[in-house]
Parts: sequence; structure tokens; C-alpha cells
Amino acid sequence: ILNVEQSPQSLHVQEGDSTNFTCSFPSSNFYALHWYRWETAKSPEALFVMTLNGDEKKKGRISATLNTKEGYSYLYIKGSQPEDSATYLCAFKTTGNQFYFGTGTSLTVIP
Amino acid sequence: NAGVMQNPRHLVRRRGQEARLRCSPMKGHSHVYWYRQLPEEGLKFMVYLQKENIIDESGMPKERFSAEFPKEGPSILRIQQVVRGDSAAYFCASSRQPENEQFFGPGTRLTVL
Repeated sequence: ILNVEQSPQSLHVQEGDSTNFTCSFPSSNFYALHWYRWETAKSPEALFVMTLNGDEKKKGRISATLNTKEGYSYLYIKGSQPEDSATYLCAFKTTGNQFYFGTGTSLTVIP
Repeated sequence: NAGVMQNPRHLVRRRGQEARLRCSPMKGHSHVYWYRQLPEEGLKFMVYLQKENIIDESGMPKERFSAEFPKEGPSILRIQQVVRGDSAAYFCASSRQPENEQFFGPGTRLTVL
């Protein structure tokens, strides 16, 4: 079983603040790194799929970077809004087609 | 284009009964993944299927659990002789290709009495 760790476990920020969190994963057998947003009482929603070392992806105020050699990805949210409140999950996909999810970072944006 | 559909949304079974969970992937998606979320835990990968084939079932318990994705119809996750420890939320996701993002269904919440 591979270990995918996310930090911090939870985070409270003020509306308008920018924030970031980390996903750490094994650097071997890497195929892809996925980021999902999971709002309470809903299903996980895909944000990014990243495959190449050095990849940077952006969707609106949210962006992510990937370092496969050292085994980490950062997710950034610029100017946090209350609607950004959710749990952010990363998932590591191996070359053997297995997915390992982190336990998530729970973000609360305070108006 | 309807999203990933799962039914039932809630399922109650007594110990020893069978549970059958269904997942209809998004149109055009031939890759299906099943995950389990135990109380107070994160998502755990169970099995990855492509039409008529199990690609990887390394996350699925060896006994009592089985999955299929027939040529026609939904993917089925079957749990025989359920025990209380099987109580969890079971999520299904689908993708067009294995390298693409996954789209999740709303989940089936299984309660074993």
C-alpha cells in the first residue's frame, strides 16, 4: 500500500486570502496525479490531472504544480471565496493502474 | 449528458444478505472505478474495470466482494454475506480514457444491521 499524504489536514482562512496545500506521494511508479474538490453532501469533482514533471495547471483562481522527482504537488487558491470551502483531495495513479487517495485538506473560508 | 449514476443511493441489509450496487458511467466512458469510504476515513480504491474486463482488483477484499462491467448494462459491485464492517459509502467513477479525469457518482450508502 502506497502512502499519499496531504497537509495541512484542515485550514481556516479569511475571505480574500490566498492559500496553498501540499500532496506528497511516492516518486516511483508514477503515472498521474489528480486533484479533486469534494463539497459536503456532493461527489468529488475533478480539478486537474497532471502527468509531467514541472506541469502547472490553472482553472480560474485555482492552480497546481507538480514535481514528480521529489514526489509533491501544490494546490494554490488565490483570493479565497466562501464557495471554495470544501475538502481538496489528491490521488496518485500508479503505472499499475491503481489509485491512492490522500485523506484531504479541509478548507473553510470565513466571510 | 447525464453524469455518473449510482443506485440505490441508500441500501440497508441485514448481516448475511447480499448487496448489489449499480453504476452507470457517463456516456462514452468505458473505464469504471469503485471506491469505498469507511466512516471517518478517506476514499480507498477497490477495483478498476473496462468493458467486460477487470483491469485491477488489488483494492478489493478477496472474499465476498466481486465486480463486473458487462458489455451491456451498468457495472455491478456485489457483496455477499454482508457484515457490519461493510457499512460504508461506495463511490463509482468513470473516465473516457485511463489518463483522463474521473467523474464521480453520488455514491451508495450501505448500512448493515
